[in-house]
Amino acid sequence: QVQLVESGGGVVQPGGSLRLSCAASGFTFSPYGMHWVRQAPDKGLEWVTFIRSNGTQYYIDSVKGRFTISRDNSMNMLYLQMNSLRVEDTAVYYCTRNTGSGLAPGDRWGQGTPVTVP
Amino acid sequence: QSVLTQPPSVSTAPGQKVTISCSGSSSNIENNYVSWYQHLPGTAPKLLIYDNNMRPSGIPDRFSGSKSGTSATLGITGLQTGDEADYYCGAWDISLNVYVFGTGTRVTVL
Repeated sequence: QVQLVESGGGVVQPGGSLRLSCAASGFTFSPYGMHWVRQAPDKGLEWVTFIRSNGTQYYIDSVKGRFTISRDNSMNMLYLQMNSLRVEDTAVYYCTRNTGSGLAPGDRWGQGTPVTVP
Repeated sequence: QSVLTQPPSVSTAPGQKVTISCSGSSSNIENNYVSWYQHLPGTAPKLLIYDNNMRPSGIPDRFSGSKSGTSATLGITGLQTGDEADYYCGAWDISLNVYVFGTGTRVTVL
């Protein structure tokens, strides 16, 4: 069955770095665009970044220049390199595959990995 | 601060119908596909509607989506206690070149 499993979250001091990973299985990974979405404590869902199958990337302004999304289609892996972390980056981070005719987080999500910047 | 506006909360009795509105603009809802998500705290969000009115497999037809101009609506019929959750609309914004979620609506079954 389709599965997305995130890892790599943790506690990091402001200014530090983390690399989140998302292992995909149960479907052909390479044709799918992939998103990272986060939810900060007591806040709503916030889209963070998207990578197309061809590698084109999109980011929200607040993470541009600090976060980098990447993928390894040979390993069915999605990554989020997070540098210069800020308190406001504290959230649960989810990876999700694109679904539908447009660009939209979709029908399969991971369980989430928490990131805390105290 | 989201560019898609939803009512903070809606409530109704079990078995009844509820509708949730999502107000946007020409740069998102009017010219792009709308999705709807259900989110229970501590769990992964669930896609309910994509491409304005399409249901993924496994989503019952109690959930429906529609769009008109710069607004979209999620309908839930036969409300159940298990439907108590936060609901978000979302759409790509072609001006900002980002995906935007709505402000979220808490559904309560009285």
